[in-house]
Amino acid sequence: EAAVTQSPRNKVAVTGGKVTLSCNQTNNHNNMYWYRQDTGHGLRLIHYSYGAGSTEKGDIPDGYKASRPSQENFSLILELATPSQTSVYFCASGDVGANSDYTFGSGTRLLVI
Amino acid sequence: GDSVTQTEGQVTVSESKSLIINCTYSATSIGYPNLFWYVRYPGEGLQLLLKVITAGQKGSSRGFEATYNKEATSFHLQKASVQESDSAVYYCALRAGGYKVVFGSGTRLLVSP
Repeated sequence: EAAVTQSPRNKVAVTGGKVTLSCNQTNNHNNMYWYRQDTGHGLRLIHYSYGAGSTEKGDIPDGYKASRPSQENFSLILELATPSQTSVYFCASGDVGANSDYTFGSGTRLLVI
Repeated sequence: GDSVTQTEGQVTVSESKSLIINCTYSATSIGYPNLFWYVRYPGEGLQLLLKVITAGQKGSSRGFEATYNKEATSFHLQKASVQESDSAVYYCALRAGGYKVVFGSGTRLLVSP
């Protein structure tokens, strides 16, 4: 069954440390996305990708980098984690069609202390 | 930019009673946006509940319905008789063109027995 798998499910990181969140999809979708979800906010787009080797900035990219080494994998990297990055992060994949929707992973809960 | 506003916070409904979660949108792009409702059950990622891509049409799934009202710029989610298993967080979303889906802040539904 096609799916989006995120790892880890939970992560505790120290301020100033490096954090990498991983996402793998078996949907063969070209587009992949990283969102964060905070109480009182909708999902906010951090980075997205159109395909292997491409990364684009979303609405809130500051403090984050992304990497898309293959069609299946899309990583979110926090080079210097800060407490303000404590959140739940969702990865999604989607097809290129204008009427397509997303398939989401189960989320990664990140706590930066 | 594009935005989605939905019923804030938590809604508590007794089992077998009716439900409405309000959603209104603002889309600045040319044309009519695609509209979605996603649902997030505890411990899981978001999953598509229903979508409507044509103004004036109604989408339905699992007993839920939403009608795309372009005059009122609304896409309210309704269900005639909720069950405990419907307890989840519901997100209204739109895609106004291109890659990006914009989400509302989410509404937590608690169905009491």
